[in-house]
Amino acid sequence: RKEVEQDPGPFNVPEGATVAFNCTYSNSASQSFFWYRQDCRKEPKLLMSVYSSGNEDGRFTAQLNRASQYISLLIRDSKLSDSATYLCVVNLSSNTGKLIFGQGTTLQVKP
Amino acid sequence: DVKVTQSSRYLVKRTGEKVFLECVQDMDHENMFWYRQDPGLGLRLIYFSYDVKMKEKGDIPEGYSVSREKKERFSLILESASTNQTSMYLCASSPQGYRPNEKLFFGSGTQLSVL
Repeated sequence: RKEVEQDPGPFNVPEGATVAFNCTYSNSASQSFFWYRQDCRKEPKLLMSVYSSGNEDGRFTAQLNRASQYISLLIRDSKLSDSATYLCVVNLSSNTGKLIFGQGTTLQVKP
Repeated sequence: DVKVTQSSRYLVKRTGEKVFLECVQDMDHENMFWYRQDPGLGLRLIYFSYDVKMKEKGDIPEGYSVSREKKERFSLILESASTNQTSMYLCASSPQGYRPNEKLFFGSGTQLSVL
């Protein structure tokens, strides 16, 4: 079983739609969680960290469910510019320095 | 703005060649990392470094070595390139802190093809 699993998609949605991605992780000792965004042929960039209480940044909401070992990303009012691959990232320990990346979920927002 | 620069965007090498991938960051970051990214597999950590002359193996170090002689520079070395090392290589850096790897700054990547 992969340490971090994501549905690769692609998710094809119309502009203005709400879309949600889930990501599961296998190690219950995982301590920090993030969503990165990667545009086609570009490097990944941090989108947002995921906190236990859930957090929101504009149209983006991230949530963590430790009991079920998954994190989610909700995008409201999708824009064409949201088209990208979204990478779920887990840090097992703040001391190890090892970030584990999921393979990514591809989102295509259509006009 | 943080800048992580990788020396080449595209590289074509032959099987058996020694290959050097260079990465330089300009923000005085302590931590530096080398990942490779392959379709369906995501990013996998090859090696990382927390300080000058310090290195630690990641998840897939076989066939690779690294060098960190200066804080700003982290080199990935393929001693004898093989076709299964054809991949996108991404360098990243982050500052030292309570959670040293929370935010990685990536270079734009080197697409290496080994023929």
